[in-house]
Amino acid sequence: EDQVTQSPEALRLQEGESSSLNCSYTVSGLRGLFWYRQDPGKGPEFLFTLYSAGEEKEKERLKATLTKKESFLHITAPKPEDSATYLCAVQAGNTPLVFGKGTRLSVIA
Amino acid sequence: DGGITQSPKYLFRKEGQNVTLSCEQNLNHDAMYWYRQDPGQGLRLIYYSQIVNDFQKGDIAEGYSVSREKKESFPLTVTSAQKNPTAFYLCASSIQGILPPNYGYTFGSGTRLTVV
Repeated sequence: EDQVTQSPEALRLQEGESSSLNCSYTVSGLRGLFWYRQDPGKGPEFLFTLYSAGEEKEKERLKATLTKKESFLHITAPKPEDSATYLCAVQAGNTPLVFGKGTRLSVIA
Repeated sequence: DGGITQSPKYLFRKEGQNVTLSCEQNLNHDAMYWYRQDPGQGLRLIYYSQIVNDFQKGDIAEGYSVSREKKESFPLTVTSAQKNPTAFYLCASSIQGILPPNYGYTFGSGTRLTVV
């Protein structure tokens, strides 16, 4: 069974304090790993897709990396507006995305 | 602007009542999905459809039903058989069936269903 585990469940940072969120997965035949941002009461918003180990993608203060067993979402010098839940999802074979439980990030000014 | 519209935003259901959640997209996407989200939980797949008039059960389909009569529409009915329906329901779509495009799924803004 495909599994996605995100850690930590919650993370509290001071503004400017860089950190990383982890997404570990066990799937056979990974087709893609996805990161989403979700604000309270809203639908998830797409951030990145990663397809192969060693791949990296960046967007503003966010950088996503991928290994054969896990992905990291690095947040550099976060601002309060980066506060949200960050969801990781994987696709294996021809099946819909399987999501982790997310990491709730709070950035304090 | 293209996107996915879910309605209503809030829905209250009485015990024993069936309710239908609406999901409409104008992105010309082939595949559509319904996920359920509970507090502190990730998204769990209820049903998905790759083409019109065809759909498949997800991990938690019991107590739910769907239809896909038009490409643009994928309504979800929460039946009285669903014993714990209070949750946040998200509809999504993707182009090219379930093979992921570079931008993944596009999600609606969700419907919060509460049993009263």
